[in-house]
Amino acid sequence: TQLLEQSPQFLSIQEGENLTVYCNSSSVFSSLQWYRQEPGEGPVLLVTVVTGGEVKKLKRLTFQFGDARKDSSLHITAAQPGDTGLYLCAGAQTSGTYKYIFGTGTRLKVLA
Amino acid sequence: DTGVSQDPRHKITKRGQNVTFRCDPISEHNRLYWYRQTLGQGPEFLTYFQNEAQLEKSRLLSDRFSAERPKGSFSTLEIQRTEQGDSAMYLCASSPTSGRAVDEQYFGPGTRLTVT
Repeated sequence: TQLLEQSPQFLSIQEGENLTVYCNSSSVFSSLQWYRQEPGEGPVLLVTVVTGGEVKKLKRLTFQFGDARKDSSLHITAAQPGDTGLYLCAGAQTSGTYKYIFGTGTRLKVLA
Repeated sequence: DTGVSQDPRHKITKRGQNVTFRCDPISEHNRLYWYRQTLGQGPEFLTYFQNEAQLEKSRLLSDRFSAERPKGSFSTLEIQRTEQGDSAMYLCASSPTSGRAVDEQYFGPGTRLTVT
């Protein structure tokens, strides 16, 4: 059973559009990470958020950790074909643990 | 350093055979993780090591699975008596001991196992 549910599962948009991907759980996480994975490769870490309500920006990507540390969102502004990939959230449930639970993933395709 | 490497990249085996995968982490990374990823899903945690010590093991890991990191550097994951349900991508990741409560994991390209 996955503790982290992501939505949507699939998203196909035109270049230049904005989008938001959600990562939700009924459990509290001490930290949450977002990764992007391309076919045939391992996930690549994008960001880590640790404080409830925290917002981090990475160029056109904005990440938010929910106040209760149970959910997170990833917003992409003006999507580009290079943003295409599988976006994964991963949470650590207890501070100090190094075991991460990954979400179900959101597969994004940006069309030129 | 070229990052985390895994060998082989692909493995096709017949049901009932044993297979072993190798992971070489980024040098001086103390923690090493193994995950399994099936098509359309996120990675599932299998186990992790701090140096040579195996600190946590998932209940998903049946008795047919064993992982070692004998000298605290490379690691091996062995699956005995493979079953078709073992077909998946096996990912390895490593992270440095930063003194922080949060790890930054660097993933290898994975080993894709197909059991026929």
